[in-house]
Amino acid sequence: QKEVEQNSGPLSVPEGAIASLNCTYSDRGSQSFFWYRQYSGKSPELIMSIYSNGDKEDGRFTAQLNKASQYVSLLIRDSQPSDSATYLCAARDSNYQLIWGAGTKLIIKP
Amino acid sequence: EAGVTQSPTHLIKTRGQQATLRCSPISGHTSVYWYQQALGLGLQFLLWYDEGEERNRGNFPPRFSGRQFPNYSSELNVNALELEDSALYLCASSPGRRPVPYGYTFGSGTRLTVV
Repeated sequence: QKEVEQNSGPLSVPEGAIASLNCTYSDRGSQSFFWYRQYSGKSPELIMSIYSNGDKEDGRFTAQLNKASQYVSLLIRDSQPSDSATYLCAARDSNYQLIWGAGTKLIIKP
Repeated sequence: EAGVTQSPTHLIKTRGQQATLRCSPISGHTSVYWYQQALGLGLQFLLWYDEGEERNRGNFPPRFSGRQFPNYSSELNVNALELEDSALYLCASSPGRRPVPYGYTFGSGTRLTVV
């Protein structure tokens, strides 16, 4: 059974601090990983993708991938109240489908 | 470039009726995915269509069905509606079964309410 696991939270972070979101996956054949942000009642929006071991930075967001540990993370620097949302981690399997985690609810406290 | 479009935005049906939801993928995308998201819960995979064929199906009863048309748009049908079918139904599209890494692009969803 291919699985992607995330801590459901909520994760509460003070405004301006770094939010760290984590995800593990079971399928060693997965090569591509994605982070989506979903506001309440809205559809998921792709914010980061990562395919190689190491870090990938885009503005305030950094995605980290460690294939040996089967671990993916998302760091959000200088967290803003507008970052409050549920963050979904997904891994693309060998059948071209995304396997989804249940999501981590992030709350940024002013 | 137009994104993934879903219609209708909201749909209210009576228990036992049928609902039809529609999705148009991004131009050039051949795969369409359907998900159900009940309030406060995660994404539940329903169906995957690619190039007109059903490629995979989630753990839902047969009253959930769909199809993909030659222009790659898709329709989700839910028969014999039950109260617990009330949810946000999300459609997503992707370029298809290619060995190139990409994510899905989601539409805005259809909010189905069964009363």
